[in-house]
Amino acid sequence: TQLLEQSPQFLSIQEGENLTVYCNSSSVFSSLQWYRQEPGEGPVLLVTVVTGGEVKKLKRLTFQFGDARKDSSLHITAAQTGDTGLYLCAGVQGAQKLVFGQGTRLTINP
Amino acid sequence: NAGVTQTPKFQVLKTGQSMTLQCAQDMNHNSMYWYRQDPGMGLRLIYYSASEGTTDKGEVPNGYNVSRLNKREFSLRLESAAPSQTSVYFCASSVPRGVYEQYFGPGTRLTVT
Repeated sequence: TQLLEQSPQFLSIQEGENLTVYCNSSSVFSSLQWYRQEPGEGPVLLVTVVTGGEVKKLKRLTFQFGDARKDSSLHITAAQTGDTGLYLCAGVQGAQKLVFGQGTRLTINP
Repeated sequence: NAGVTQTPKFQVLKTGQSMTLQCAQDMNHNSMYWYRQDPGMGLRLIYYSASEGTTDKGEVPNGYNVSRLNKREFSLRLESAAPSQTSVYFCASSVPRGVYEQYFGPGTRLTVT
């Protein structure tokens, strides 16, 4: 059973479209992180959200932490081909351990 | 700074063979982690080390052992490889406080035949 469920698992859209990826759980997390991973490389941290209801923006990417700190979303505006990759959410569970979602594989077509 | 480095990048083993995956970080982080990544499963924690001299099991520790050699190095050993251990293995490090943001190495792609 996956503690963090991401949806959709796969998403293929045209350049210029908007999209939202979701990360849901029945558990409360003290913080939640989003990573992007490109083929053949390790994940790279994009953002950490800590406070319930928090919204963070990274250029065209908007991250939100749910009020109850059980879920998060990643919204991309006007997607570009460079946004293609595997997006992973991760929540801090207990002392020093992170639990990851299964990932959303995003493909932006030119 | 190199960040987190891993060796080897690729490895093929026969069932029953043993090997050690090496990981080193130069960021002076106390905490280090080993994950495996399988299709549709995200990243699953195998073992982690909160500081030099300590190690703890993660979600999927069976079939693996680890050694925290010093503050910089954290190795993962497969004593008797099985096909179910075919995966991509990532090492990561983090500061041991706050939100434990992970810094990942480039990964080792392991195939067990």
